[in-house]
Amino acid sequence: QSALTQPASVSGSPGQSITISCTGTSSDVGTFNYVSWYQQYPGKAPRLMIYEVSNRPSGVSNRFSGSKSGITASLTISGLQAEDEADYYCSSYTTTTTVVFGGGTKLTVL
Amino acid sequence: QVQLVESGGGLVKPGGSLRLSCAASGFTFSDYYMSWIRQAPGKGLEWVSHITSSNYINYADSVKGRFSISRDSAKNSLYLQMNSLRAEDTAVYYCARTGSYYDSNAWGQGTLVTVS
Repeated sequence: QSALTQPASVSGSPGQSITISCTGTSSDVGTFNYVSWYQQYPGKAPRLMIYEVSNRPSGVSNRFSGSKSGITASLTISGLQAEDEADYYCSSYTTTTTVVFGGGTKLTVL
Repeated sequence: QVQLVESGGGLVKPGGSLRLSCAASGFTFSDYYMSWIRQAPGKGLEWVSHITSSNYINYADSVKGRFSISRDSAKNSLYLQMNSLRAEDTAVYYCARTGSYYDSNAWGQGTLVTVS
């Protein structure tokens, strides 16, 4: 199972919006709405930010939103803040009943 | 509150074995899927295995036949038996509570496994 494709890095200024893409195949993102997004600070465990493509767990800011079109899912962060600087990973369930992660995207807040 | 605490990591030689444990508290363990996810030094997340509440199990191809996941609801614990370890298995191993949409919504602090 190949990893989902994410840009290695994205950046934005405080207050701006950024979008991180996550491209899979018809065997994962294209078939299931079981796409999740995670935030990870250096040396820390990941934190779930989005599940089932667009749902936010309790406690996650509404500045974070998710969507999907075809084989590509996206995470949008609006009103960018310094604390959003972190690594972000997407994941998806697959037709082989496994889970696959993206390679990760480093978000820099300028 | 939900707590997941991994243990059992350490230094092991190639070809050796190690058993990781994850002690869960703060939720009804038997109701949830559970996963092991690893992260090699400086690399991204890699899904390793999951076990459903009905004990249905899946593994990544990279560990199939070498690793074995299990759970003990009486002890609220998740395990990962790792055999025939390779240098490329070196990583921090996370235990994660997983929802039915395969979203890992609670994570432990991780335990480091070094194969050298």
